[in-house]
Amino acid sequence: DIVMTQSPDSLAVSLGERATINCKSSQSVLYSSNNKNYLAWYQQKPGQPPKLLIYWASTRESGVPDRFSGSGSGTDFTLTISSLQAEDVAVYYCQQYYSNAPHSFGQGTKLEVK
Amino acid sequence: EVQLVESGGGLVQPGESLRLSCVASGFTFSSYWMSWVRQAPGKGLVSVADIMPDGSEKFYVDSVKGRFTISRDNAKNSLYLQMNSLRAEDTAVFYCVRWENNGWLRYWGQGTLVTVSS
Repeated sequence: DIVMTQSPDSLAVSLGERATINCKSSQSVLYSSNNKNYLAWYQQKPGQPPKLLIYWASTRESGVPDRFSGSGSGTDFTLTISSLQAEDVAVYYCQQYYSNAPHSFGQGTKLEVK
Repeated sequence: EVQLVESGGGLVQPGESLRLSCVASGFTFSSYWMSWVRQAPGKGLVSVADIMPDGSEKFYVDSVKGRFTISRDNAKNSLYLQMNSLRAEDTAVFYCVRWENNGWLRYWGQGTLVTVSS
């Protein structure tokens, strides 16, 4: 089974500053035949279901602000919010979909305003 | 507009059973993998069960194997989760979720709360 580990568990960033969340997989989620990383990022606000932000590690979902970006390959990935807005306060999860189902999530990173 | 509406949650005692349902609309249900993802209070996301579009293959997380059964009725645009021998640690919000392509999750229901307590 692929284990996803996020860091940090919580993060406080000032409005307008950059926020960086890391996600590490216990084995590579890069599929060599298509050179795609099978990694997605989600945002969850209190009382709401998760919202898809990014898939294929770096493809932004339609409607997601361009201050959100994903990067990385193989086993190490990063979600970056370039300029934190108040509405970005949430818990963020990475998910791998490389292995057979069920697919695993990271434990989540809680992002707050400093 | 894609909609996923769960129902069937509630309060049950340990050892009892519960059946969750999810009615899908706004897309061709029979073409998509579907999942149940749960979230215990204050905790993270766990994909507990997945099912192929035609229902021929099903996958479960180890902690629910032998107790939970995922199924679907494509004629009724419905997904189900039969949960037997429920335990306190099964207490969670259960989300009905649609896969995209290889497995990212774009559409989520609002969730239904299952509470297992004596």
